[in-house]
Amino acid sequence: GENVEQHPSTLSVQEGDSAVIKCTYSDSASNYFPWYKQELGKRPQLIIDIRSNVGEKKDQRIAVTLNKTAKHFSLHITETQPEDSAVYFCAASGAGSYQLTFGKGTKLSVIP
Amino acid sequence: DTAVSQTPKYLVTQMGNDKSIKCEQNLGHDTMYWYKQDSKKFLKIMFSYNNKELIINETVPNRFSPKSPDKAHLNLHINSLELGDSAVYFCASSPGPTGTVYEQYFGPGTRLTVT
Repeated sequence: GENVEQHPSTLSVQEGDSAVIKCTYSDSASNYFPWYKQELGKRPQLIIDIRSNVGEKKDQRIAVTLNKTAKHFSLHITETQPEDSAVYFCAASGAGSYQLTFGKGTKLSVIP
Repeated sequence: DTAVSQTPKYLVTQMGNDKSIKCEQNLGHDTMYWYKQDSKKFLKIMFSYNNKELIINETVPNRFSPKSPDKAHLNLHINSLELGDSAVYFCASSPGPTGTVYEQYFGPGTRLTVT
């Protein structure tokens, strides 16, 4: 089955700096890669996703890049703000699969 | 308008008891899931139902039994609760199943504490 590795497990940045979280996946047939943000005590919520026919996708301060050859994808947050502090999860899913396999999460702390 | 709702939000019970968690979605989605999030925040899929039919059943003890009375509801019943069952349980739903995976919408979670 699919295996998703996520790094780093914790990340601290100064407000205004950029943050990058990286994930690798094992199943070359995977074609959907979402990123979820989970604030303390809340539910995970989708912040951005990318499919395997696209190399990069942006939404304001958030961007995701995908390298299918290397089987890795990354989340980039620019101009970080204290409200970006949360746990971020990457996930991957294969063609025809209902199942998302999640990474173990990255706790991002943005220091004012 | 709550898209995916769960009840109860908190559940404190003793070892050996049986308990149920209910989940409902009003998004018209075909697929629903149960996840377990342990103390280390790891999200692990437990079950998935599509149109009331079980499609994913990960390695979960037989004490856990999902039930889907209709495609808008997916309940989780747990027998003989153990300390290790303490976790946050999330229900989720997504459109499908056309072979394309879509965004999963999560419920607010049920924090289960077994003493």
